[in-house]
Amino acid sequence: AQRVTQPEKLLSVFKGAPVELKCNYSYSGSPELFWYVQYSRQRLQLLLRHISRESIKGFTADLNKGETSFHLKKPFAQEEDSAMYYCALQHFTGGGNKLTFGTGTQLKVEL
Amino acid sequence: DAGITQSPRHKVTETGTPVTLRCHQTENHRYMYWYRQDPGHGLRLIHYSYGVKDTDKGEVSDGYSVSRSKTEDFLLTLESATSSQTSVYFCAISASGADNYGYTFGSGTRLTVV
Repeated sequence: AQRVTQPEKLLSVFKGAPVELKCNYSYSGSPELFWYVQYSRQRLQLLLRHISRESIKGFTADLNKGETSFHLKKPFAQEEDSAMYYCALQHFTGGGNKLTFGTGTQLKVEL
Repeated sequence: DAGITQSPRHKVTETGTPVTLRCHQTENHRYMYWYRQDPGHGLRLIHYSYGVKDTDKGEVSDGYSVSRSKTEDFLLTLESATSSQTSVYFCAISASGADNYGYTFGSGTRLTVV
């Protein structure tokens, strides 16, 4: 069965400090991983897809199959980065693709 | 806009009453999903649909039913609401069964069962 683990419920950093939000996954197939962000009381928005290897809002994430990790990183935290971040694993079943989410990490950037 | 709307945005209901939440999309996407969001649990899949009248259960489907009579609408029904169903409910849509573009989410429905 697939599983996504985000070990930190809350991560507090100072503005300008580096950020790393941890995500580990368990999946027998070839993983397709995503990061979603949810700003206060807003809808979830797609932040990153591992397949595209893009950088959005200064965030990057590298898939490490050996460590089964997909950590989200940013070199210098901004106040507007404060939000809830979810790591998600896409898996395909007979009924189509599904996303399994981690429990989320609340990032708080302090001045 | 995102092409997906949920209604109502907020609802307070009494234990034991039926409740229906609506998700409406204008993207003509085949796949639609209902998730609930709870602190400490993240988002958990309730039900999903892979076409008109084609639905299946997710990991937390007990106490919920769904219907999809047309492409654009996906309804979630709590047959007899309980306090444990107090949550924020999100609908999501996806274009195809195996794409890598992720989901588009609605704004959520905050449901309180008293």
